[in-house]
Amino acid sequence: DAGVTQSPTHLIKTRGQQVTLRCSPKSGHDTVSWYQQALGQGPQFIFQYYEEEERQRGNFPDRFSGHQFPNYSSELNVNALLLGDSALYLCASSLARLAADTGELFFGEGSRLTVL
Amino acid sequence: RKEVEQDPGPFNVPEGATVAFNCTYSNSASQSFFWYRQDCRKEPKLLMSVYSSGNEDGRFTAQLNRASQYISLLIRDSKLSDSATYLCVVNFYYNQGGKLIFGQGTELSVKP
Repeated sequence: DAGVTQSPTHLIKTRGQQVTLRCSPKSGHDTVSWYQQALGQGPQFIFQYYEEEERQRGNFPDRFSGHQFPNYSSELNVNALLLGDSALYLCASSLARLAADTGELFFGEGSRLTVL
Repeated sequence: RKEVEQDPGPFNVPEGATVAFNCTYSNSASQSFFWYRQDCRKEPKLLMSVYSSGNEDGRFTAQLNRASQYISLLIRDSKLSDSATYLCVVNFYYNQGGKLIFGQGTELSVKP
């Protein structure tokens, strides 16, 4: 049973560029949440996708956008990259009907983005 | 004010010590609460849920005080393997579902 997989694992971009990160949720999960984790900080909630729609959003600018596909996989897009976007981007999957009670998110290992 | 606040530490303790972590949250409408553990350069993983009545899992005890909007985690008889960052997590639940909000984490280092 594959867990949450993310790609790429590491990438380097320059300011102003655009990046797309990908996530495949754990088998059977229907909800994908994206988090940004800067060094020494806790994961910051970016947004959550369910049934191919953005259901919840954190305090991130419109440069951050996403998508969920019919197979529940998801993409995170960041436009006009800034130095401050350098971070570990974590994808987490869950089952919508259980998440509120169990609180269990299954995280991928993350995509580490460096913006130069 | 951050939605979930923790003392970042680090907490440096000897093996066998008892250590307590505290966390406060700002949204009184929060419905569920959790502690996650994150090892160095790894992804976070659920450690335990936190219930109003308090709950225990082996050496770990979690407590919730809704009136004070305060959550705690107690680790007894610390082991070297307990060294990690402990993340306080609150589920802010809305009509269409919840979002888990993480504190910044408290780093624990258990020394021989």
